[in-house]
Amino acid sequence: GENVEQHPSTLSVQEGDSAVIKCTYSDSASNYFPWYKQELGKRPQLIIDIRSNVGEKKDQRIAVTLNKTAKHFSLHITETQPEDSAVYFCAASEGYGGSQGNLIFGKGTKLSVKP
Amino acid sequence: GAGVSQSPRYKVAKRGQDVALRCDPISGHVSLFWYQQALGQGPEFLTYFQNEAQLDKSGLPSDRFFAERPEGSVSTLKIQRTQQEDSAVYLCASSPLGPGEQYFGPGTRLTVT
Repeated sequence: GENVEQHPSTLSVQEGDSAVIKCTYSDSASNYFPWYKQELGKRPQLIIDIRSNVGEKKDQRIAVTLNKTAKHFSLHITETQPEDSAVYFCAASEGYGGSQGNLIFGKGTKLSVKP
Repeated sequence: GAGVSQSPRYKVAKRGQDVALRCDPISGHVSLFWYQQALGQGPEFLTYFQNEAQLDKSGLPSDRFFAERPEGSVSTLKIQRTQQEDSAVYLCASSPLGPGEQYFGPGTRLTVT
């Protein structure tokens, strides 16, 4: 089955710096890769996602890149702000056809943005 | 519109008690997923419904766990004879149809004492 590895487990940056979180996956059939932000005691919130027919997607300060050959994808946050502090999870699933699409999550990255 | 809701938000059970956790998905969402999130970990898949049909229960950790969605909307996750290792946050997510964006509820934090 699918296995998703996520690094680093913790990341501390200064406000205004960039943050990068990396994930690898094992199942070449996976083709949908969302990123979730989870604040303490809150629900996971979808912040950006990418499908395997696209190499990069950007939404304001957040971007995700996907390398299908190497089976890795990354989250990039630019101009970080204290409110970006949270745990970020990557996930993978089969996103097409008859697949049900249950997500396999990484273990999470705790991002701290220091003012 | 209203998002995914779950109740109760917190549940404390004595070991051996049965519990029932409720999920109200986004109206019209066909797919419903249950996940278990241990402290400091990512969510782990438990079971999947498409409408009222439970199509995958491969993630349920034991036969003490049971889920249903009888009318294709609200779902209930039941845990019988709770054990300490069942302590976790149980998350429900819904999706319009099959694979794609999943929207999570706030979760139910279950503590078994």
